Amino acid sequence: EPEVTQTPSHQVTQMGQEVILRCVPISNHLYFYWYRQILGQKVEFLVSFYNNEISEKSEIFDDQFSVERPDGSNFTLKIRSTKLEDSAMYFCASKQTNTGELFFGEGSRLTVL
Amino acid sequence: AQRVTQPEKLLSVFKGAPVELKCNYSYSGSPELFWYVQYSRQRLQLLLRHISRESIKGFTADLNKGETSFHLKKPFAQEEDSAMYYCALKKMTGNQFYFGTGTSLTVIP
Repeated sequence: EPEVTQTPSHQVTQMGQEVILRCVPISNHLYFYWYRQILGQKVEFLVSFYNNEISEKSEIFDDQFSVERPDGSNFTLKIRSTKLEDSAMYFCASKQTNTGELFFGEGSRLTVL
Repeated sequence: AQRVTQPEKLLSVFKGAPVELKCNYSYSGSPELFWYVQYSRQRLQLLLRHISRESIKGFTADLNKGETSFHLKKPFAQEEDSAMYYCALKKMTGNQFYFGTGTSLTVIP
């Protein structure tokens, strides 16, 4: 069964460093998402991406964040200058249609020191 | 603004007992409601959605618009039901899902 895959599973970085989290959505899916979950808190929406552009973004998704789909398969989340409060589990998700089921990756745990 | 509330962070029931995980929402439009489950060391996965009106793994959930609730129920809990359960709402417009804080269910053998 096709799955959303994410790399790395865990990344530790120093505050101020740039981080890129990678996702390979399911191949025939058209809608892509990033969510994050700070330890002990709820899953929060960051951004959605459709037709090669951001369709929605939350207040969390400020200028430090960017997303890209550089090659038609990968979907990346970049954090330009990480802060301590960026430490969280980041989930990528995709779905085939507007009303379809959302499929999640296993998450990338980011620890900012 | 839309909001999903799961009042119980932790819930423990004995095997064979009924279980109900509560979910309340606030949204002025017609929402689409979902339950997602995360078993230990696995990814978040869809358990059920209100529009399909199915029973999955013995779980059901009914959307009650009067009470703005979408509680998840199972008449006889099994050990393998132990997991983290998230209620989620999708608005009529847009693609954003709003998640509750989750309920950790433990089924005691």
